[in-house]
Amino acid sequence: SYVLTQPPSVSVAPGQTATITCGGENIGRKTVHWYRQKPGQAPVLLIYFDSDRASGIPARISASNSGNTATLTITRAEAGDEADYYCQVWDSSSDHLYVFGAGTQVTVL
Amino acid sequence: QVQLAQSETEVKKPGASVKVSCTASGYNFRVYDMHWVRQAPGQGFEWMGRINPSSGDTKFAQKFRGRFSMTADTSRRTINMELSSLRSDDTAVYYCATHPYDYGDYFDYWGQGTLVSVSA
Repeated sequence: SYVLTQPPSVSVAPGQTATITCGGENIGRKTVHWYRQKPGQAPVLLIYFDSDRASGIPARISASNSGNTATLTITRAEAGDEADYYCQVWDSSSDHLYVFGAGTQVTVL
Repeated sequence: QVQLAQSETEVKKPGASVKVSCTASGYNFRVYDMHWVRQAPGQGFEWMGRINPSSGDTKFAQKFRGRFSMTADTSRRTINMELSSLRSDDTAVYYCATHPYDYGDYFDYWGQGTLVSVSA
């Protein structure tokens, strides 16, 4: 079964850059998608196909994927970016075909 | 616009069954798979399975086979899921989610979630 590893938490000062990693074996060979979830809300798609922004997502949110790590970057962080962020891939060898990371809680200090 | 509207909170006792519905609008409902994903309290997401509304074809994660079912009512644009033999660790928010386009293995649209609480 394919495993995605995310740091449990990331802190960032307002206006600075937050980097959230998603590790997986040869994840660069897969397509990675990213979601944001605020408390009590359903997830929102941020990034699909490694680096394409979903509709309405600002350019200060970007992502990349290479080797064993996919990365979500939030520049010029603001209070509204506080949320949990999840990476996701599709893996045909996994029982749960759609595999999610455990999530990273981003705090804007 | 695409919308997925789910049924309300359910409270069940261990061993019971629960049904959750998801009504879709704003896209060609028959064509695109509907998925169910759950999130236990304070946890991440777990994909449970998917159904194609037109064919009724289903696929399940192994851990749910035998106690998880999905049906499609195309006239009402609704997907119904049922989870039986409930246990306390089935307590979670259950989401329906879909990617209503021809290519892609991610979820553009999610329902608002249905809390299923299992407790004696």
